[in-house]
Amino acid sequence: EVQLVESGGGLVQPGGSLRLSCVASGFTFSNYWMIWVRQAPAKGLEWVASIKQDGSEKKYVDSVKGRFTISRDNARDSLYLQMNSLTADDTAVYYCATTQRDRPFDYWGQGTLVTVSS
Amino acid sequence: DVVVTQSPLSLPVTLGQPASISCRSSHSLEHSDGNTYLNWFRQRPGQSPRRLIYKVSNWDSGVPDRFSGSGSGTDFTLKISRVEAEDVGIYYCMQGTHWPYTFGQGTKLEIK
Repeated sequence: EVQLVESGGGLVQPGGSLRLSCVASGFTFSNYWMIWVRQAPAKGLEWVASIKQDGSEKKYVDSVKGRFTISRDNARDSLYLQMNSLTADDTAVYYCATTQRDRPFDYWGQGTLVTVSS
Repeated sequence: DVVVTQSPLSLPVTLGQPASISCRSSHSLEHSDGNTYLNWFRQRPGQSPRRLIYKVSNWDSGVPDRFSGSGSGTDFTLKISRVEAEDVGIYYCMQGTHWPYTFGQGTKLEIK
C-alpha cells in the first residue's frame, strides 16, 4: 500500500522558517517526480514545487522562489520542503504527493498545517 | 501563468442525474510532445485531493466509468453520468502542460 506521511507543520512567526518532511512507502520512491501542493484555509489548491527523480531538476511557483527549497533523500524515501522568510500568505495545509502526468499513478499524503502568525 | 477557469462554481445535483463541469484555459494545453495534460481532481470534505482523470480522458485506478473527461485545446469537460452520494466534494481541473502548473478555482458538487 502506498503511503505518504508528512510532518513538520506548526505555528511559526512571520519571517521564521520551517522544514516539512514526507516519508514515502509502498512504491519505489526514487523512480518518481515528487511535489508539494498547498491549500490555504477554505481556498483552492496551489502547486508549490516539484523535484525530479534524482533531484537534478527543481521547479517552484513564483510566490515561493528564493524562499522555499524542495529536496529529497532517495536513500531514506523522503521528500523535504525548507521554508524560509514565511509570511501570513504561506499559511496553508501542505500536501506531499506524487502525481504522474502520463500514467495512472497519483498518491497524496494527509497534509500538514503550517500557520504563520505572531 | 496559464489561468484555468471552471464553471459552475456550485453544482447542486439530484441523485441519479447527470452532472457536467466546464474548464477553460487561457492558453492551449497541447504540449510540444503531442499530449494534452489536463487533469481532474476531486477533494471530498476533510480529505486530501485525489486525481480522477489524466490527459483529458484517461481514468486513474479505481475511478468508476460514470466519470468521463473530454475536450481539447482550451476547452474541457468532466461529466458524471449518474451522480451518487459519494461524488460530493470539490472538483478541480488542473493543467500540467505549462509551468507553473495551475488549478481551477474548484466546483463544489452537492446533492439537492
